[in-house]
Amino acid sequence: ETGVTQSPTHLIKTRGQQVTLRCSSQSGHNTVSWYQQALGQGPQFIFQYYREEENGRGNFPPRFSGLQFPNYSSELNVNALELDDSALYLCASSPPPGSEAFFGQGTRLTVV
Amino acid sequence: AQTVTQSQPEMSVQEAETVTLSCTYDTSESDYYLFWYKQPPSRQMILVIRQEAYKQQNATENRFSVNFQKAAKSFSLKISDSQLGDAAMYFCASSYNNNDMRFGAGTRLTVKP
Repeated sequence: ETGVTQSPTHLIKTRGQQVTLRCSSQSGHNTVSWYQQALGQGPQFIFQYYREEENGRGNFPPRFSGLQFPNYSSELNVNALELDDSALYLCASSPPPGSEAFFGQGTRLTVV
Repeated sequence: AQTVTQSQPEMSVQEAETVTLSCTYDTSESDYYLFWYKQPPSRQMILVIRQEAYKQQNATENRFSVNFQKAAKSFSLKISDSQLGDAAMYFCASSYNNNDMRFGAGTRLTVKP
């Protein structure tokens, strides 16, 4: 197991609601990336945070937002949930760019 | 933009045999990284092997090795002496400066006893 932990592990929300997912990065890692993995597909990059600043964003609408805290943990917030937001959300932490990324076990979000 | 293609949705191998998973990618960058990740039913992505594009030598990690063909933009994974624990989804990914990783659609590997 890596030192990256995500909470909660499972979550069920209603369409239109808001959700916050959390990620604790591995000790010494200052970069956190979030990915969305729909059923049967590969992960898709949402955004990355480096030293509390957004450092890149994928093709996701503004209702997907994030934060990184001084201890390098991170949150992913999704507003106005849609049914298509149902997916596994993966967090990955890494030391400075060019290094291996370590993934958490993910949060399974179901929107009904 | 980087794109990664895995053309084999499913592969099967007999225990102790060798299997090769295919991956092609497209990038305009000259300096990038390539990865193979394993995702078992536990969902956690586990790094299998990593290759820096500027290195000509193919990466090797125990039973896992890659065939990196930079001009052809090909990055295949060879698993030797396959074990039951190797059964999982395998994802090929590329990254420029670790800003974000682009993943393929994955290959489901089954290992038969």
